[in-house]
Amino acid sequence: DTAVSQTPKYLVTQMGNDKSIKCEQNLGHDTMYWYKQDSKKFLKIMFSYNNKELIINETVPNRFSPKSPDKAHLNLHINSLELGDSAVYFCASSQGGSISNQPQHFGDGTRLSIL
Amino acid sequence: DQQVKQNSPSLSVQEGRISILNCDYTNSMFDYFLWYKKYPAEGPTFLISISSIKDKNEDGRFTVFLNKSAKHLSLHIVPSQPGDSAVYFCAASSFGGTSYGKLTFGQGTILTVHP
Repeated sequence: DTAVSQTPKYLVTQMGNDKSIKCEQNLGHDTMYWYKQDSKKFLKIMFSYNNKELIINETVPNRFSPKSPDKAHLNLHINSLELGDSAVYFCASSQGGSISNQPQHFGDGTRLSIL
Repeated sequence: DQQVKQNSPSLSVQEGRISILNCDYTNSMFDYFLWYKKYPAEGPTFLISISSIKDKNEDGRFTVFLNKSAKHLSLHIVPSQPGDSAVYFCAASSFGGTSYGKLTFGQGTILTVHP
């Protein structure tokens, strides 16, 4: 009964390919996020959706396109993968977004390696 | 521009003693602060939080202290246990406005608790 689940856990692919990472939460939360943890271990926000609506887009290349088919799912599609995209991507969810101080709950991450 | 800083990359503590992890922030708009624990190959797990209207919050062995004038918070773990060995991230967000609950993370402190 995983709360926030991401697939795949590991993703190894070549430069130039297109790939998707899926995220699902069963906590009933209305807000979902994507974070990137780079080689220096910083966790940085990329996107956030509240009730399927994009509310945060943090200067991310437009090769990255999030999609939220419903409030329990937030997928991340990446076009034309580059070496610098190698990182761990974390999905998270919370209730209420900015209108309530509720902690975010994270998935276990997707480790993306670009060859 | 690193708005949340954890200046100690690592901390080593004997089992049973107190662990004190520190975090400094620069953005005076932050009003909600969280600590997360992270094991290898897992996502961050929420530990404890504090809003800016308080200066202390306690949950079992974990206590978070907030000094708003110094823009400093700390996490105390007492007594420390070997299972507490993990990376600890400090995070901050702004309630309301256009931040939409996004978290700004510090770079983490590796805590090692020796038996």
